[in-house]
Amino acid sequence: GESVGLHLPTLSVQEGDNSIINCAYSNSASDYFIWYKQESGKGPQFIIDIRSNMDKRQGQRVTVLLNKTVKHLSLQIAATQPGDSAVYFCAEILPGSGNTGKLIFGQGTTLQVKP
Amino acid sequence: EAQVTQNPRYLITVTGKKLTVTCSQNMNHEYMSWYRQDPGLGLRQIYYSMNVEVTDKGDVPEGYKVSRKEKRNFPLILESPSPNQTSLYFCASRKQGGGELFFGEGSRLTVL
Repeated sequence: GESVGLHLPTLSVQEGDNSIINCAYSNSASDYFIWYKQESGKGPQFIIDIRSNMDKRQGQRVTVLLNKTVKHLSLQIAATQPGDSAVYFCAEILPGSGNTGKLIFGQGTTLQVKP
Repeated sequence: EAQVTQNPRYLITVTGKKLTVTCSQNMNHEYMSWYRQDPGLGLRQIYYSMNVEVTDKGDVPEGYKVSRKEKRNFPLILESPSPNQTSLYFCASRKQGGGELFFGEGSRLTVL
């Protein structure tokens, strides 16, 4: 079946360093991807999205890169701060899901920021 | 403030005792959905609704019911809860055409 996976369950970085969280997806026809952040005790929050006609998209301190050749997605966080500590999920919109916009979520990477 | 509100946030109950988790959104969203989150399994969709009186099964609908009588509300009903329904539940909503999915804060349910 369809799956979206993250390479590492936990990533530990030093405050101020850049973080890179990776995600592999399985359906080459998927055309929309989203990164979510989930802080402890809270629901997932939208961070940034990207469509398959783009390779890169930047937000505030975050950049998402899409490599369709190897079906790989990454989230880069610049100058990581303690408030970035959370679980990060990638999600894929299945092709052909039309207006239902069904999201398939990866299992998440826990980002730990060391002071 | 735009938000998705779930209640209760925490609940401990016993097998077989019917319960309802309410979900309400104030963004006039057509699409609403319920997910459960379990360690090692991630977020899995239980049911979703495209609009009032339109609901459909997600990936793990067994043991759950939903209703969508009003646009803002999408309650999740467990008619006869069992221990395997112990989980963290999230309600979410978005506009009909797609875009950002807004999540509630979650409801942690324990079935003894």
